[in-house]
Amino acid sequence: EVQLVESGGGLVKPGGSLRLSCAASGFTFTTAWMSWVRQAPGKGLEWVGRIKSKTDDGTADYAAPVKGRFTISRADSENTLYLQMNSLRTEDTAVYYCTTEAHCSSTSCYPPFDYWGQGTLVNVSS
Amino acid sequence: DIQMTQSPSSLSASVGDRVTITCQASQDISNYLNWYQHKPRKAPKLLIYDASNLETGVPSRFSGSRSGTDFTFTISSLQPEDIATYFCQQYGNLPYTFGQGTKLEIK
Repeated sequence: EVQLVESGGGLVKPGGSLRLSCAASGFTFTTAWMSWVRQAPGKGLEWVGRIKSKTDDGTADYAAPVKGRFTISRADSENTLYLQMNSLRTEDTAVYYCTTEAHCSSTSCYPPFDYWGQGTLVNVSS
Repeated sequence: DIQMTQSPSSLSASVGDRVTITCQASQDISNYLNWYQHKPRKAPKLLIYDASNLETGVPSRFSGSRSGTDFTFTISSLQPEDIATYFCQQYGNLPYTFGQGTKLEIK
């Protein structure tokens, strides 16, 4: 069974930092491309960024509102995805989800964004 | 960035009704569109991928179609458990973008 479990959310002051984690299991994490998506209170879903698998160069892409402040990384040996958030702003307050942008088994590939975690709440407030 | 214009923003319908939600992309995204169901305090659930493919395990009353840059999501016979917010998402171009959502309620 595929599981994505986010952690690390909480209350942080503007200008502060926070690191979110996403523990993955039940699929081949090392070859998966992973994304972070957030939802601010009362708003729609917003893509934050993604990281490719190391075999596909391991680079990350970001949405404009977070570029230069957020960094996505991965620890394949621990099946864990990270989101380092610096210089946090009140508008970064949201539930943050990790999701499987693309993943394959040895025999087939799966639909994009087919698995999502339950999310972790980040509250940026003074 | 590609804008996804989703309508309506809210919808009230009766059990058994046919429900239709649309998303229009601001430019060509081919079939790179997903539809999700999102309930409060739950993970978004993928229903339709590549515009018209039903995700494994999703009831057949859900369907999707494409005509150019216009995408349609349909529930053929609304059930009480379908109360949720529904989102479209394009993944044809970075940054990936979502529609604003349709909140579905039962009359």
